[in-house]
This record gives sequence, structure tokens and C-alpha cells, in this order.
Amino acid sequence: GAVVSQHPSRVICKSGTSVKIECRSLDFQATTMFWYRQFPKQSLMLMATSNEGSKATYEQGVEKDKFLINHASLTLSTLTVTSAHPEDSSFYICSAGQGAGTEAFFGQGTRLTVV
Amino acid sequence: GENVEQHPSTLSVQEGDSAVIKCTYSDSASNYFPWYKQELGKRPQLIIDIRSNVGEKKDQRIAVTLNKTAKHFSLHITETQPEDSAVYFCAAGWDGGSNYKLTFGKGTLLTVNP
Repeated sequence: GAVVSQHPSRVICKSGTSVKIECRSLDFQATTMFWYRQFPKQSLMLMATSNEGSKATYEQGVEKDKFLINHASLTLSTLTVTSAHPEDSSFYICSAGQGAGTEAFFGQGTRLTVV
Repeated sequence: GENVEQHPSTLSVQEGDSAVIKCTYSDSASNYFPWYKQELGKRPQLIIDIRSNVGEKKDQRIAVTLNKTAKHFSLHITETQPEDSAVYFCAAGWDGGSNYKLTFGKGTLLTVNP
């Protein structure tokens, strides 16, 4: 299947700093990518839909100024957690597909710890 | 928006038994229903999917059934093995072009006891 690569896999940062997470589709072009947050033993909560060349669409309750999304090319979307706080500590995971109604391929996820 | 309910949240079976996980969805426009398996610390992986023009689909020990009228779909795993132990997520989506997205259920932790 298609490959989605996410980097970094783990990051520890100090409270108040910003962290950038990258999501790349390695062997296909993705006009749309999705960013999820997953708490321990819980489901995948969609945060936002990243659209290449346009603004991201955020789910209700997700602060767009805190979670900045940039989808500058057909193979790369980035999520920047700005002014991170301990409550932002979580597992962030992206996905991309090759079209609507097709399999979504997930990145390996990023474990963010804010200290 | 779409709402997906998944049951049970945990399921424990003996090796060789069958396991059934059920999901319901709310948006009648949804027409794509994938199932994902997530092992601890790993990314979700698609194991089977079904579209609304099909009522049942099988792939070896795994099968999915869909009842569009009742808006529910189920995952069936037969002859379970310890390596089937993982969290399983159902999802619902629709190929509506730019508004496409998947809504996930809360997950089922399946434990297969040897």
C-alpha cells in the first residue's frame, strides 16, 4: 500500500515553545491530509483537514491559532503546536488517502510530551 | 455531522472462538466503511472495508457485513488467534469530493487468550 511518513516519532519540549510535526506521502500525491489526536486507550479524534493550497478546516473545539496547519505541497502537510502546554501532550497522527472513499494510510504518529 | 457508535469497548475471547464488533452510524450519506486494527504503539492499519453497494465482504478469517437500512455494520473474526489482539476501529465516510472525511468509532480492545 501507499506510504505515509510522519516525523518526528517522539518529541519532548518545554512549556511555551512550539513544535512542528511533518506528514509526508512518499509515493502518491495527497490533496487532502488529516490530523488526529489520540489519548491513551481512546479513539482517533479528528482535529483538522489539511487542504493543499488552501486553509485547513478545523473541527469544532480545535483552536486554529494553536494548531497551525500548512499544506504547501501535494506530499507534505505540517502541524505546528504553538506555545505548547502540558495538556497538549498527546499522540498526534496524520493520514492521507488517494481520493475520497478510499483507504486512509496513517503516519507512524508523534508522541508529544510537554514538560 | 456523522456520529459513529462502536460496541463493545472491550472484548475477551478464547483462541479459536469468533469475535464480533458492531458499529452504527448516523449519516445516511455515508457510503464507505473501513475497519482498522491498531496494535499498541503502532499506526492503524486497514484490515477490510465495505461500500454501500455491497452487503457482505470476506477476506479469509475476517468478514464485514453492512445493513444500510438500519445504518449498522459489523466486523466478524473467526478462528481468533493471539496475534489478533489489538484495538479495532470502525469508521464511516463518504466520497463526497472535497468534504470527504472519516469519522471513527471509539474502538474495541480485543484480547485473544491462548
